[in-house]
Amino acid sequence: GAGVSQSPRYKVAKRGQDVALRCDPISGHVSLFWYQQALGQGPEFLTYFQNEAQLDKSGLPSDRFFAERPEGSVSTLKIQRTQQEDSAVYLCASSFGRPASSGANVLTFGAGSRLTVL
Amino acid sequence: AQKVTQAQTEISVVEKEDVTLDCVYETRDTTYYLFWYKQPPSGELVFLIRRNSFDEQNEISGRYSWNFQKSTSSFNFTITASQVVDSAVYFCAGANTGNQFYFGTGTSLTVIP
Repeated sequence: GAGVSQSPRYKVAKRGQDVALRCDPISGHVSLFWYQQALGQGPEFLTYFQNEAQLDKSGLPSDRFFAERPEGSVSTLKIQRTQQEDSAVYLCASSFGRPASSGANVLTFGAGSRLTVL
Repeated sequence: AQKVTQAQTEISVVEKEDVTLDCVYETRDTTYYLFWYKQPPSGELVFLIRRNSFDEQNEISGRYSWNFQKSTSSFNFTITASQVVDSAVYFCAGANTGNQFYFGTGTSLTVIP
């Protein structure tokens, strides 16, 4: 696609519900990132994929957060048993190359999925 | 550890004024990359510029200019003759040769007509 597409744009969940957020990166982009952006804050790294391999998940805040990219394209971020502190905008970004070898490629971001947990 | 500091939380200027947004990137690495992103109300982060740590040449692109000084770890961004459409939150980010990009807390710019 022309850009990074994320769905849903808005999600309201009751505390304890599971949610799944989808990211469709730019076609051919090898690297895919998930970021969490709390209100009034900068994006915070969650996890990174190179093709289908999840190479870094050090930013995932708890074992309730899980991300996958099974075919190296679309990615899903799943949050189990949501809590109020999970309320944030979840941003997906992709880049053509692999950051470590290409000198930090430019990230192209999606518009984000805004999650509100009641 | 890496740290991006944007000391200015909010700035308001009157249209046509110049405005400079400050950023300091702290890292022990000698090779790193710095970025500026713009986040308008729609929420999507828009890439503006990338610089590497070996290039201290200042850059001008239209009304935008950037000043990188390695000695002070600063990467400042100036908008000349600001316009209302420049109103947004601006994020500075840094990345080393690993996989993580570190963002500052952002500077909210309001341009008053």
